[in-house]
Amino acid sequence: DTEVTQTPKHLVMGMTNKKSLKCEQHMGHRAMYWYKQKAKKPPELMFVYSYEKLSINESVPSRFSPECPNSSLLNLHLHALQPEDSALYLCASSQGGAGSNQPQHFGDGTRLSIL
Amino acid sequence: AQKVTQAQTEISVVEKEDVTLDCVYETRDTTYYLFWYKQPPSGELVFLIRRNSFDEQNEISGRYSWNFQKSTSSFNFTITASQVVDSAVYFCALKNTGGFKTIFGAGTRLFVKA
Repeated sequence: DTEVTQTPKHLVMGMTNKKSLKCEQHMGHRAMYWYKQKAKKPPELMFVYSYEKLSINESVPSRFSPECPNSSLLNLHLHALQPEDSALYLCASSQGGAGSNQPQHFGDGTRLSIL
Repeated sequence: AQKVTQAQTEISVVEKEDVTLDCVYETRDTTYYLFWYKQPPSGELVFLIRRNSFDEQNEISGRYSWNFQKSTSSFNFTITASQVVDSAVYFCALKNTGGFKTIFGAGTRLFVKA
């Protein structure tokens, strides 16, 4: 079992739907990350939160909206997604803020399919 | 610019063989950290090792060993006596000290056959 919990594990949604991905960690980590991973590719950074503040947005389309309600939770709100957004979405956290050099702890991911 | 190159896309070995996964990195920073992660079919990336740029000492952990050579900008990973459970994608990654972003290599997919 991983220490970073992501829900749901699988999600199928239509292009007009609104859904949210959730990520939770209770390790006291103060940096949290969203990655998108396509098959046979490395994880691609989307967003970085450091001490609950958005620190990096890698020019992600506005149909993806991150939220960090507190230091343990990270959400990714989805709206009007496109078929090319189908991928594995990974959440990660690391000790200290994002500028620390601690390794990232990853969740199992949410496999998202857009119809 | 930062870059991590894992030239081996896929490697297939028979159980009990030794296998080395190559990683070459580029960075202009003098202080940085290197990582290896394992991604089994289940999906989550599992942290294996972190090495900082000042520590070129090689490390061994059970069947795993890492060879860091700053002179050639390489951080190679060797699995001794491979096992089927080692089958996974392995990512090498680079992070400059104080930076917020980790740069991942393309990954090497390792198949270990029984």
